[in-house]
Amino acid sequence: DIQMTQSPSTLSASIGDRVTITCRASQDISRWLAWYQQKPGNAPKFLIYKASTLQSGVPSRFSGSGSGTEFTLTISSLQPDDFATYYCQHYDSYFPVTFGGGTRVEIK
Amino acid sequence: QVQLQESGPGLVKPSETLSLTCDVSAYSISGGFYWGWIRQPPGKGLEWIATIYQSGSTYYNPSLESRVTILADTSKKQFSLRLSSVTAADTAVYYCARAQRWGGGLYGYYFDYWGQGTLVTVSS
Repeated sequence: DIQMTQSPSTLSASIGDRVTITCRASQDISRWLAWYQQKPGNAPKFLIYKASTLQSGVPSRFSGSGSGTEFTLTISSLQPDDFATYYCQHYDSYFPVTFGGGTRVEIK
Repeated sequence: QVQLQESGPGLVKPSETLSLTCDVSAYSISGGFYWGWIRQPPGKGLEWIATIYQSGSTYYNPSLESRVTILADTSKKQFSLRLSSVTAADTAVYYCARAQRWGGGLYGYYFDYWGQGTLVTVSS
């Protein structure tokens, strides 16, 4: 299976900060990567697919980049609604879907 | 907009079979999308369980495949999950979701719409 490793596991930031979360795949997954946001007690919300394409309705302060084995999710100016846990997920079609361990973004 | 809702027992005894149903509204499950189950143990990360296309093609996480069955009933607009021989390690919130399929292999999907999730506890 492909292992997805996120860093950091927890990130403390303030409103207005630029925030970057890293996701590394244990092997080349091209750009087959999705990102999700999850708030406590809620289901994950789909944000990004194909590493950098925003789902309709996702604020433009979110962006994704990367290819191969290293990917990033960036929030350009952190808003109160953005405090949550973020997960990456590969969808290379030749290997079972796996998710990263999550990055919790908390208030500094 | 598509909506999904899980239902089923919240408590299952060890060694028994967990059965959950996902009702889909505002979209036909016999359309062009795939449908799947994902779970999340309390305080932990996400694990893909299984995916189905219409009432036919099924795809399972190899780590769970021997115990899992996913089925779809297009007339009822619902799909279901059965997980046999459960243990405490199967305690989790179980989510159903719509899957977008990519690539030529068995496993290329991401999940764009999710149900709210249902907690299933395995305990005697």
